[in-house]
Amino acid sequence: DQQVKQNSPSLSVQEGRISILNCDYTNSMFDYFLWYKKYPAEGPTFLISISSIKDKNEDGRFTVFLNKSAKHLSLHIVPSQPGDSAVYFCAASAGSSTGTASKLTFGTGTRLQVTL
Amino acid sequence: NAGVMQNPRHLVRRRGQEARLRCSPMKGHSHVYWYRQLPEEGLKFMVYLQKENIIDESGMPKERFSAEFPKEGPSILRIQQVVRGDSAAYFCASSPQWTLSGNTIYFGEGSWLTVV
Repeated sequence: DQQVKQNSPSLSVQEGRISILNCDYTNSMFDYFLWYKKYPAEGPTFLISISSIKDKNEDGRFTVFLNKSAKHLSLHIVPSQPGDSAVYFCAASAGSSTGTASKLTFGTGTRLQVTL
Repeated sequence: NAGVMQNPRHLVRRRGQEARLRCSPMKGHSHVYWYRQLPEEGLKFMVYLQKENIIDESGMPKERFSAEFPKEGPSILRIQQVVRGDSAAYFCASSPQWTLSGNTIYFGEGSWLTVV
């Protein structure tokens, strides 16, 4: 039962262009969403998050959009740089409004390749 | 560096031996999570613990796997009688108990287990 889905296993984008990574979820209890970036042989690194009370959150070159009605979120990277080449994981959790810790459910990841 | 510390980074075990993976959470974090990444797959939740208490072990295999987070010392993920299928990257993450908005967990660098 894959509650968080990243349907594109890979994406190739030219340097300077926009990268758009997509994520869909099925569990309507999810209320907090995150994106992690992972290089080979390293642990995932937190990038950006968004609460379900918002539909957009921006941090530098990274913007996350949330469409609750479609149960869809996306990560935009503008402009894309070669150092952005990595695997990006979408993650979600439930019960965040209570302020307590809870586990994250991850998607299967999208491998982004930024070409020169 | 007060990040999540995992050791060993690499561990080789023969089939039938035991593997012990250790994780020290970030300073001030009381919750620990273990995730597993099999080759070419995403991050799968295994177990979520706080000091002396397992909160959610719904992702743990029923046999051979156990986890603890004692009052003193690191969290331990223990795999008894390892088999080749246990070869994977095991990631530990931590978070504080209470959060202002949403639960962001921070990962360690991972422990790579190879069963020969």
